[in-house]
Amino acid sequence: QQQVKQSPQSLIVQKGGISIINCAYENTAFDYFPWYQQFPGKGPALLIAIRPDVSEKKEGRFTISFNKSAKQFSLHIMDSQPGDSATYFCAAMRSGGSTLGRLYFGRGTQLTVWP
Amino acid sequence: DAGVIQSPRHEVTEMGQEVTLRCKPISGHNSLFWYRQTMMRGLELLIYFNNNVPIDDSGMPEDRFSAKMPNASFSTLKIQPSEPRDSAVYFCASSFGGLASIAYSYEQYFGPGTRLTVT
Repeated sequence: QQQVKQSPQSLIVQKGGISIINCAYENTAFDYFPWYQQFPGKGPALLIAIRPDVSEKKEGRFTISFNKSAKQFSLHIMDSQPGDSATYFCAAMRSGGSTLGRLYFGRGTQLTVWP
Repeated sequence: DAGVIQSPRHEVTEMGQEVTLRCKPISGHNSLFWYRQTMMRGLELLIYFNNNVPIDDSGMPEDRFSAKMPNASFSTLKIQPSEPRDSAVYFCASSFGGLASIAYSYEQYFGPGTRLTVT
């Protein structure tokens, strides 16, 4: 069972446009929501993360919006650039308990930014 | 810091052969994760360790897969016998934290992966 559902599977955006990727989760025990970025031939790397005590976190052109009541969170990439072309994974974690840092990943979104 | 080191980077083997993938986590990290990535199934967690102890191996597809972590700086993932459906990119990741830790980093650092092709 997929703990975190991600959409869309692929996304094509014009340079300068806004890229939006959405994720939804069911387990209300999750309390840490990171986004990972993966370039071809590389392993995923942490891009930005949010805890549920805030509704938005911004780092440069990347923003996470979090809706706790809807159990949804999204990644917004402003002024998208060709260098942002990569696969993006959302994930969720329950920081306490016996799961000891296990991340539940979405299926990924392949973003292509056309120049 | 060299980051997470995986070897080999590429492995091509014939069906039925034994395959061993290796991982060296970042020094000081005490959690280690093995993932498999395919187009069909995305990024799947196979098994993870905390302080060298396996915590959850429910993602290991079948008995042909086994993983060990003999010490804090080394882990192996073995497939015996290998099958064509095992073809994938296998990632190792490490992080710091756990039940005995005061602080927890949460961030997982991934290695470059091993691309396995079973013919």
